[in-house]
Amino acid sequence: GAGVSQTPSNKVTEKGKYVELRCDPISGHTALYWYRQSLGQGPEFLIYFQGTGAADDSGLPNDRFFAVRPEGSVSTLKIQRTERGDSAVYLCASSLNPPSKASTDTQYFGPGTRLTVL
Amino acid sequence: TQLLEQSPQFLSIQEGENLTVYCNSSSVFSSLQWYRQEPGEGPVLLVTVVTGGEVKKLKRLTFQFGDARKDSSLHITAAQTGDTGLYLCAASKAAGNKLTFGGGTRVLVKP
Repeated sequence: GAGVSQTPSNKVTEKGKYVELRCDPISGHTALYWYRQSLGQGPEFLIYFQGTGAADDSGLPNDRFFAVRPEGSVSTLKIQRTERGDSAVYLCASSLNPPSKASTDTQYFGPGTRLTVL
Repeated sequence: TQLLEQSPQFLSIQEGENLTVYCNSSSVFSSLQWYRQEPGEGPVLLVTVVTGGEVKKLKRLTFQFGDARKDSSLHITAAQTGDTGLYLCAASKAAGNKLTFGGGTRVLVKP
């Protein structure tokens, strides 16, 4: 079966431009997560969706970052007025079940989108 | 300040040698996970540990969760070149599934 897919795999843009990064989760997975991984670091949580709604967006660094999941499947991470510091690999993950205090559901990661802001 | 500190940051060994990677925190977690990530790919879950003192084995990999659920270790016996990669620990607290990752340990196993 298909795993999590992300497009594009690489994106090069100029400072100040707007970019959209897309994530297709595993079919049937209700939870979707975005992380950012800077060079030489571990992934850093950005936002989590349960269905169509953002259940936790506490990791978004500022209001230039926004994400949507309008139909509860595909998600788009949108970055306005990109800055050089936004350069990183943006990872998407999905899990079958919503999170609960009783269990830690496996998150399946996509290959990421490498964003380079010149 | 990272919530999860991994050490060492980089480890280079010869094939056949053993290695141990550590993940430490001052916080208590409900569960801790270990992932391996290869270049150009996302992290892949290796194991989840939940109970303090728990030990899990996955072929040549042994994972241990500290008694106080604040730290963990990953031990690889007789490393192979295929074990090369970035090893990440990640943990979640009681509320929900938001994962906090450590900085990673890059392991290079030379033939």
